[in-house]
Amino acid sequence: AQSVSQHNHHVILSEAASLELGCNYSYGGTVNLFWYVQYPGQHLQLLLKYFSGDPLVKGIKGFEAEFIKSKFSFNLRKPSVQWSDTAEYFCAVNAQGGGNKLTFGTGTQLKVEL
Amino acid sequence: DGGITQSPKYLFRKEGQNVTLSCEQNLNHDAMYWYRQDPGQGLRLIYYSQIVNDFQKGDIAEGYSVSREKKESFPLTVTSAQKNPTAFYLCASSVTATNEKLFFGSGTQLSVL
Repeated sequence: AQSVSQHNHHVILSEAASLELGCNYSYGGTVNLFWYVQYPGQHLQLLLKYFSGDPLVKGIKGFEAEFIKSKFSFNLRKPSVQWSDTAEYFCAVNAQGGGNKLTFGTGTQLKVEL
Repeated sequence: DGGITQSPKYLFRKEGQNVTLSCEQNLNHDAMYWYRQDPGQGLRLIYYSQIVNDFQKGDIAEGYSVSREKKESFPLTVTSAQKNPTAFYLCASSVTATNEKLFFGSGTQLSVL
């Protein structure tokens, strides 16, 4: 079975600071990787995903994530955060060919201060 | 508006009582899912359904039951066998079981009286 670790539970940044949220997974096979985001008062929604190809994927609102297979990592980055990025961020993984059984990390609560 | 509707928003359960959480979608999606969210534990999969009249257990199915008699509906029953039911429950759907983009509802907070 796969598992996902998000080591940063709470992150506080000032506007314009750079962001990197860690995500590591454990699984012996090929995986699909995701970041979901939940803005205050809104539903969880997909931020970006990686299936194959270029390990650097770009998502909505200027976010990107890099898949490093050797490190089993899929860290989320943004060069300059905005107050509106305040949200909870979840990394998720599923085994390729294993159906849509996503395994989620515990989430990182990001607060961006003005 | 297309989307996923979960009701009620808040639900209280008495000891020994079964309660049912509703999840309805008008997205014409084949697959539907139930997740449980606990503080500090992320989302854990309870049950999922790839197509009508079919469903499978997720990682924490004990004490829960589901049905999928209609494409648009995937109700979750929290039975009295679930000893720690207090949690936030999220329903989700995807176009197919192999299309990994999940659309989520707004959730139901279940508490035990």
